[in-house]
Amino acid sequence: TQLLEQSPQFLSIQEGENLTVYCNSSSVFSSLQWYRQEPGEGPVLLVTVVTGGEVKKLKRLTFQFGDARKDSSLHITAAQPGDTGLYLCAGAGSTSGTYKYIFGTGTRLKVLA
Amino acid sequence: EAQVTQNPRYLITVTGKKLTVTCSQNMNHEYMSWYRQDPGLGLRQIYYSMNVEVTDKGDVPEGYKVSRKEKRNFPLILESPSPNQTSLYFCASSPSISPGNTIYFGEGSWLTVV
Repeated sequence: TQLLEQSPQFLSIQEGENLTVYCNSSSVFSSLQWYRQEPGEGPVLLVTVVTGGEVKKLKRLTFQFGDARKDSSLHITAAQPGDTGLYLCAGAGSTSGTYKYIFGTGTRLKVLA
Repeated sequence: EAQVTQNPRYLITVTGKKLTVTCSQNMNHEYMSWYRQDPGLGLRQIYYSMNVEVTDKGDVPEGYKVSRKEKRNFPLILESPSPNQTSLYFCASSPSISPGNTIYFGEGSWLTVV
């Protein structure tokens, strides 16, 4: 069974601080995505990474896919209150010839003004 | 506007009373799926559908049924709800299950079974 573990589970920081969220697995994924979920809404895609070692930047957010495609990280520079939310990683893996998305347990981020 | 619409958004029901949560997408997506979200457990897949008339079990299918008679609709049926099915449910769709495709989620349905 493929599992994705995220750490930390909860993070409360002051505005302006930097932070990193990790997504780890013992399985190899074909691609890995990061979603953000705000209260009362469904998750919304932030980024997709598909190549081992790939780094993508989205304004103050930097996403990295591990060389072995088993892990990923999300780094936020100078966090703002608008970054508050639940961050979910999701890996696409193949089981018996069928692709499936596995979601991590989530990291709940609160940025205090 | 491209969207996944699910109803109801909020529901309180009693044990054993059958209920259906509807889901509709307007993006002509082939792949649709239902998830439940519980604290500390993340999103767990209940059922998914690769296309019309093709459905399969996810990780936690017990107590649920689905159907895919039309491409746009994918209802979730709880024949005899129990309190352990109290959860936040999300319907999702994607062009296909190929890696890298965006998954579009509905706004969620809060279900409480008493």
